[in-house]
Amino acid sequence: QLQMQESGPGLVKPLETLSLICTVSGDSISSRNHYWGWIRQSPEKGLEWIANIFYTGITHYNPSLKSRVTLSVDPTENQLSLKLVSVTAADSAVYYCARRRSGGGGSFDIWGQGALVTVSS
Amino acid sequence: DIQVTQSPSTLSASVGDTIIITCRASHNIGDWLAWYQQKPGKAPSLLIYKASALESGVPSRFSGSGSGTEFTLTISSLQPGDFATYYCQLYNSNLFIFGQGTKLEVK
Repeated sequence: QLQMQESGPGLVKPLETLSLICTVSGDSISSRNHYWGWIRQSPEKGLEWIANIFYTGITHYNPSLKSRVTLSVDPTENQLSLKLVSVTAADSAVYYCARRRSGGGGSFDIWGQGALVTVSS
Repeated sequence: DIQVTQSPSTLSASVGDTIIITCRASHNIGDWLAWYQQKPGKAPSLLIYKASALESGVPSRFSGSGSGTEFTLTISSLQPGDFATYYCQLYNSNLFIFGQGTKLEVK
């Protein structure tokens, strides 16, 4: 059964870099069938798509975050990672990794449980 | 920029009722729309993709319809576990945008 699990620091200082890892089990991150992505949720902004990545490294970013976000994949560890630089309090949110299934019409069919990240000094 | 408007923001209903939630896109998106259910403290769960395709394992009392710019999620014969928050999500030109959510409450 496919599972996705986010991990990383729960507290990040303002202007520092937020780094999260998503470990995928039950499916290969090198699958030609899927993109893998990050979505965040906060009371202020609701659900906000951050970016998607294909195992070849092809990435698509939310234009509002593109200048600060980097996505990568590690096929040997079956992990994807998110880095968000120069964070502010507005970046405090629950961060989810999710699978965008091929043929799913742009939907995300599997989600991690979420990682709460707070930006505060 | 493409935008999505979901309504209503809150909906009160009773077990056994049928409810409808609407999502409108500012541009024609064909059938590139999905619906999710989210319960407190949990990640969203996919219900409907491609506007009307039922995700595996989702009860048939959930149905989606629409194309172009107007879409609906219908839940028939509400069950106690259906009281949650529902989101639509559109896909257009490598952009993914979520609606503001509809909280379905017990009347």
